[in-house]
Amino acid sequence: SAVISQKPSRDICQRGTSLTIQCQVDSQVTMMFWYRQQPGQSLTLIATANQGSEATYESGFVIDKFPISRPNLTFSTLTVSNMSPEDSSIYLCSGRDRGPIETQYFGPGTRLLVL
Amino acid sequence: AQSVTQLGSHVSVSEGALVLLRCNYSSSVPPYLFWYVQYPNQGLQLLLKYTSAATLVKGINGFEAEFKKSETSFHLTKPSAHMSDAAEYFCAVSDSWGKLQFGAGTQVVVTP
Repeated sequence: SAVISQKPSRDICQRGTSLTIQCQVDSQVTMMFWYRQQPGQSLTLIATANQGSEATYESGFVIDKFPISRPNLTFSTLTVSNMSPEDSSIYLCSGRDRGPIETQYFGPGTRLLVL
Repeated sequence: AQSVTQLGSHVSVSEGALVLLRCNYSSSVPPYLFWYVQYPNQGLQLLLKYTSAATLVKGINGFEAEFKKSETSFHLTKPSAHMSDAAEYFCAVSDSWGKLQFGAGTQVVVTP
């Protein structure tokens, strides 16, 4: 299984600013994903991070608000831009391994509070 | 499109009692199904996954789940609850692209 780390683990930010979250996987994964978990809710997929090309965004999420990079197979970043209090959430990255049933493993999450 | 429905947003069980968390899925193709657990202030940990090799799947921490195609269900059980089982549990289905669709989650409370 893949071991995934995220930085920062939590942050408190002012509205209008931006925060970049880093995700590092300990082994090569086929795909990396970014999710948002709003308070008391389930996970919603933001986008699939593609190596060396633009991320693929889900409905309701746009690149200008959530720019994503994936420069290599084991690293990705998510930026939350021009933040508002509605962006206060847990942001989780995941990596899908290469096993017979490709399984997603999750990082510990980044807890973001926007004031 | 795939989807999952978890019945019951909160479940309270006594320590030592059976834990039963319900998950029903909708899928146009044979599904890949997963149960994840989220402990307070942590990320998601994989409990078990359905691989189509066996309908009864055993996972970590004494949990197991049974895939029933006729009922489109993948319920999670544990014979005897422990205080450490208090957490949120998510059922998820994977589409052909590997993207996960999560259920709303079930919060488990274990009482002494």
